[in-house]
Amino acid sequence: KQEVTQIPAALSVPEGENLVLNCSFTDSAIYNLQWFRQDPGKGLTSLLLIQSSQREQTSGRLNASLDKSSGRSTLYIAASQPGDSATYLCAVNRDDKIIFGKGTRLHILP
Amino acid sequence: DTGVSQDPRHKITKRGQNVTFRCDPISEHNRLYWYRQTLGQGPEFLTYFQNEAQLEKSRLLSDRFSAERPKGSFSTLEIQRTEQGDSAMYLCASSLALGTGRNTEAFFGQGTRLTVV
Repeated sequence: KQEVTQIPAALSVPEGENLVLNCSFTDSAIYNLQWFRQDPGKGLTSLLLIQSSQREQTSGRLNASLDKSSGRSTLYIAASQPGDSATYLCAVNRDDKIIFGKGTRLHILP
Repeated sequence: DTGVSQDPRHKITKRGQNVTFRCDPISEHNRLYWYRQTLGQGPEFLTYFQNEAQLEKSRLLSDRFSAERPKGSFSTLEIQRTEQGDSAMYLCASSLALGTGRNTEAFFGQGTRLTVV
């Protein structure tokens, strides 16, 4: 059974710092991995999709990496801003099901 | 196409009543997923469709829950005889099927927040 774990569960950092969010999954036979952002009471916004054959994807200040063999992914956020405050969710797609971690609640301090 | 849309955004119902939610996926997407999310947790898989066929249902989907996707377009999720434990955010997502060689990124709607009183 695929399990997805995100560490830390919560993180507070001062504005301007670079930060890394971690995601691990137990079954490396995934099709792709996706990072989402969720604001309180809202739906999910897709940030980055990494196919299983890829090592990383970049979008603006965001960079996501994937090491499928070790079951790990990281989301790097450069030069953090207060508007980045949200919950970040990692999800893996295997056997046509998208399995989520519990998320990391990020708070950027102005 | 404005993305995945869900209706209603909020629903308050009395225990024992039936409720129905609607999801309109991105028009070219043949996959449609339903998830449930409670406070502080990640979304939990409920069921998914490829076109009009319901291919898998989670153990979370009790007999009181039923989902349909007639004609492979919009989908409905019905909960019968609602219980307080059904209170949650119900999320819908759509994507292209795996193995198509195209972008299989999943896109989510804004969700329907259900409160059972």
